[in-house]
Amino acid sequence: KAGVTQTPRYLIKTRGQQVTLSCSPISGHRSVSWYQQTPGQGLQFLFEYFSETQRNKGNFPGRFSGRQFSNSRSEMNVSTLELGDSALYLCASSGGVGDVETQYFGPGTRLLVL
Amino acid sequence: GQNIDQPTEMTATEGAIVQINCTYQTSGFNGLFWYQQHAGEAPTFLSYNVLDGLEEKGRFSSFLSRSKGYSYLLLKELQMKDSASYLCAVIDSNYQLIWGAGTKLIIKP
Repeated sequence: KAGVTQTPRYLIKTRGQQVTLSCSPISGHRSVSWYQQTPGQGLQFLFEYFSETQRNKGNFPGRFSGRQFSNSRSEMNVSTLELGDSALYLCASSGGVGDVETQYFGPGTRLLVL
Repeated sequence: GQNIDQPTEMTATEGAIVQINCTYQTSGFNGLFWYQQHAGEAPTFLSYNVLDGLEEKGRFSSFLSRSKGYSYLLLKELQMKDSASYLCAVIDSNYQLIWGAGTKLIIKP
């Protein structure tokens, strides 16, 4: 089974721009979660999508948004980029039907905002 | 608030044993995960504990004490490839995953 894939792997943007990141989950997985990882910080939860609906949301500003398509692929969008948005953005997929499930992570998209 | 504490960095010698601790204060508890993350790579699942006690899986073992809000990951017969960050994550009462900042483990020959 192919793992979780994320594109692009690296991205450089300037302040004020917007960016869209993509995540393809493991085949058959219906839940996709997005995380922001910065040095010294734990994984910060952004949101989770299940069956094209946002099921959970973290404490990030409205500039961070996402969506999920019928094939479970998900995109994350960040508008009006700020320097502090520079981070590794990870997505993780799981079956989505159990209360406790192992999450399988993609390699991440490393975003640098200049 | 919810909090998970792990040491920032640890150093150990190849062939030795190392214990990485994780203490947590969360609203409820529904289990604890350990993940390994090599530099520049995705976190990968190591273990899941929901009951007190020790779970052994090859060279890696994970221990949980729910009454103490404490877990540790024990790595035996350390190899250079074990150099990585180790992430502790707790599932709270709302089934949300709360992540620690991770422990960077450096293995020296």
